[in-house]
Amino acid sequence: GAVVSQHPSRVICKSGTSVKIECRSLDFQATTMFWYRQFPKQSLMLMATSNEGSKATYEQGVEKDKFLINHASLTLSTLTVTSAHPEDSSFYICSVQGSNYGYTFGSGTRLTVV
Amino acid sequence: DQQVKQNSPSLSVQEGRISILNCDYTNSMFDYFLWYKKYPAEGPTFLISISSIKDKNEDGRFTVFLNKSAKHLSLHIVPSQPGDSAVYFCAASERDQGGKLIFGQGTELSVKP
Repeated sequence: GAVVSQHPSRVICKSGTSVKIECRSLDFQATTMFWYRQFPKQSLMLMATSNEGSKATYEQGVEKDKFLINHASLTLSTLTVTSAHPEDSSFYICSVQGSNYGYTFGSGTRLTVV
Repeated sequence: DQQVKQNSPSLSVQEGRISILNCDYTNSMFDYFLWYKKYPAEGPTFLISISSIKDKNEDGRFTVFLNKSAKHLSLHIVPSQPGDSAVYFCAASERDQGGKLIFGQGTELSVKP
């Protein structure tokens, strides 16, 4: 499967600021990446599908103006949490759909908004 | 609406015995199923998958069984090892709908020496 690098692994930010999370596909040109969020003891919830060169597709209930996704190249997708609030504190994970219908996940980003 | 369900939040098994993790789904359009292992603060690690055209797939100690009529799949780990202790998620997708994965709630497996 693809090799995926996600950065940063953890970030603490003040309420009202914005945070950018990067997801890089190191060895595979990914036209599609996925962003998930996991609250403690809960499932991984799909937030959006990131499409290279076009707009992301957001799942129902996910605010596209709050969670900005940019997939400007075949190896990089970014998720920006804008005007973060404490309730945005969560574990964010990206995923790359590689060849042979395999999925590889990044190592995740722990966001804490204080 | 939880399309993929893992009804057992936890499972404890003795080392060397079989671990059976269960997963149910409601969407009959799902045609690809996967199992992932996850540790806290890490991304999921792929274990094994199965296409809806099959009813069994085996890889070493891991076997996944699919019962389409019951919309049920299970992961068997035998023999279980202490290193298998983690949270296991099943996931499902419709391959011609963009490939997004829908996850179950996870089952925390504890394998005791």
